[in-house]
Amino acid sequence: AQSVAQPEDQVNVAEGNPLTVKCTYSVSGNPYLFWYVQYPNRGLQFLLKYITGDNLVKGSYGFEAEFNKSQTSFHLKKPSALVSDSALYFCAVSRLTGGGNKLTFGTGTQLKVEL
Amino acid sequence: DAGVIQSPRHEVTEMGQEVTLRCKPISGHNSLFWYRQTMMRGLELLIYFNNNVPIDDSGMPEDRFSAKMPNASFSTLKIQPSEPRDSAVYFCASNLGGGSGANVLTFGAGSRLTVL
Repeated sequence: AQSVAQPEDQVNVAEGNPLTVKCTYSVSGNPYLFWYVQYPNRGLQFLLKYITGDNLVKGSYGFEAEFNKSQTSFHLKKPSALVSDSALYFCAVSRLTGGGNKLTFGTGTQLKVEL
Repeated sequence: DAGVIQSPRHEVTEMGQEVTLRCKPISGHNSLFWYRQTMMRGLELLIYFNNNVPIDDSGMPEDRFSAKMPNASFSTLKIQPSEPRDSAVYFCASNLGGGSGANVLTFGAGSRLTVL
C-alpha cells in the first residue's frame, strides 16, 4: 500500500517570508512524488514532480521541493511567499514499478499568505 | 486543448434520485480517473480506466456507484439511488497512462453534487 501524510492542516506565513509545506510518504520500492495546488472552486493543478535524479526539484510559480529518501519526505518550499500563493496544496505518491497509474493524495494543507 | 471537461458543474438533487456525472478527457490521454473530494475524507480515488477498461474500482464506495467508459472520449459516473452522504465534489482527471506512474494528471473543474 502507498500513503502520504501532510501533518499540517494549515500553514500561515507573511508575504515575503519563506514557506514550507511538509509531506512524508510511504511506498514499497521507489516513489514518484508530486505536488498539486487547488484554488477555490477549481480542479487540482500540477506544480512539480520527482521521478529520479536531482533531489531538488523546481516547478511552477517559483516553487521547489526536496526529496529526502532517508526521511521519506518531499517538502514543498518557496523562498518568498506571495499572497496569491494562498491555496490548498496536495502531496501525492505513485510507485515507480508495478503500481501502474495509481496516484495517492495526502489530505491537503491550506496555505495562507498574509500581508 | 480545452482540457478535461466535466458536466454538470453543479447538481442539486433529492435523495433517491439518479445522478449522472460526465467527463471528456484530453484527446490522446488513455487513462481516466474519477476522484471524490469531501472535507471529512479529502480526495479519494474512486475508479480508474486504462484504454477504456476499468483497472481499479476498489475505491467505489457501494453498489450504488457505477462508472463506464464506452469510448476514449467519454466517461460517466452514476449514482443510483443517491443519498445525502454522497454530497461532494467529483473530479475527473486524465493522463497519458501507459502503466507509468510518472505521468501528470490533468484535472477537470469538478462537479459539485448536493443531495438533499
